[in-house]
Amino acid sequence: GQQVMQIPQYQHVQEGEDFTTYCNSSTTLSNIQWYKQRPGGHPVFLIQLVKSGEVKKQKRLTFQFGEAKKNSSLHITATQTTDVGTYFCAGPEGTGSARQLTFGSGTQLTVLP
Amino acid sequence: DAGVIQSPRHEVTEMGQEVTLRCKPISGHDYLFWYRQTMMRGLELLIYFNNNVPIDDSGMPEDRFSAKMPNASFSTLKIQPSEPRDSAVYFCASSFNQWAGYTFGSGTRLTVV
Repeated sequence: GQQVMQIPQYQHVQEGEDFTTYCNSSTTLSNIQWYKQRPGGHPVFLIQLVKSGEVKKQKRLTFQFGEAKKNSSLHITATQTTDVGTYFCAGPEGTGSARQLTFGSGTQLTVLP
Repeated sequence: DAGVIQSPRHEVTEMGQEVTLRCKPISGHDYLFWYRQTMMRGLELLIYFNNNVPIDDSGMPEDRFSAKMPNASFSTLKIQPSEPRDSAVYFCASSFNQWAGYTFGSGTRLTVV
């Protein structure tokens, strides 16, 4: 079945530094979603990318979908302590109404004040 | 909307006991998902429903696990008998359709001793 890999697994940054996490799929994706999970919390939907080469921004967060629709990245500019958490990418698997998300292993971000 | 509601938030039980986890999805969401999260295996899809009908239960670990969705506003995940290796955080999530982002509940942290 489909595999979604994320790197790095862990990232420690100093507050104010930038951060990037990368997501790679073994198959072409129709879309990709990103989620954030705070420590002790639950995953929260951030965004969905659909088009090849699509770039979307949410304040300091920039999401990109690769031209081949097999990879994606999340870049955070000037990290803050509120950015702490694990960031997951997720790609759909299946067809038609029988479709569910396969989640990557996540990148755990620690921001040092 | 109150979001996806899960109960209980925490459950500690002895090995061999029956455990029932409950979930109320967001009204109008046609899809309901049960995930399990552990450090070792990350987020694993156990089973999901579309319009109350189970679509894919291939992620259910074994016959000790069962899930039901008797109506659009309620689902249960049952483990009988429970074992220490079932200890994990169990999340319920719902989505409007097969393309939309998922809304996760706060999860049930299960500890089997």
